[in-house]
Amino acid sequence: AQTVTQSQPEMSVQEAETVTLSCTYDTSESNYYLFWYKQPPSRQMILVIRQEAYKQQNATENRFSVNFQKAAKSFSLKISDSQLGDTAMYFCAFGGGYGGSQGNLIFGKGTKLSVKP
Amino acid sequence: DTGVSQNPRHKITKRGQNVTFRCDPISEHNRLYWYRQTLGQGPEFLTYFQNEAQLEKSRLLSDRFSAERPKGSFSTLEIQRTEQGDSAMYLCASSLLSRDNYGYTFGSGTRLTVV
Repeated sequence: AQTVTQSQPEMSVQEAETVTLSCTYDTSESNYYLFWYKQPPSRQMILVIRQEAYKQQNATENRFSVNFQKAAKSFSLKISDSQLGDTAMYFCAFGGGYGGSQGNLIFGKGTKLSVKP
Repeated sequence: DTGVSQNPRHKITKRGQNVTFRCDPISEHNRLYWYRQTLGQGPEFLTYFQNEAQLEKSRLLSDRFSAERPKGSFSTLEIQRTEQGDSAMYLCASSLLSRDNYGYTFGSGTRLTVV
């Protein structure tokens, strides 16, 4: 069974600084996808970034980038130039590809990120 | 399309009562998922549908929980004989089954409080 582990329950960063959130996972599958979701306080969860396991190039979306280490089963999220609006819970999630896994995403327990002015 | 819609946003019920939540997915999405999220935790998978077929329901927390998706459109999640431990946020998400996995679009959730 797949598992997702986020070892940092809480983190804080000063505005405009860079922060990295950690995520490790366990799977025996070779084709899968990894995601970071953001859940602001009392608001819905939104997708931040997605990585296909078969791609060696790390995904980037504006200020958000990942460091995907397939052999180490590590998938960290880097947020550059942190903004107050980045304050949220961040969830790492694992998902299979077409017809794979159980059809659902498996989430970690989350990291609460606070951006301080 | 305005995204995934969940109703009601909040529900307060007395212990022992039945409650039903509704989810309207993005219209072209053929998969619909239900998750439960307790305070400070990640979403916990409950069940999912592909069109009208419920493909996984073994994770439903007890036989008090049931879900339907008639005609492959909206879905309902029902909890019978609610208990205080059922208090949580119930999230619905939808996705399009395809060769690649593009993740979910989530709704805003229904927060259930059992008193």
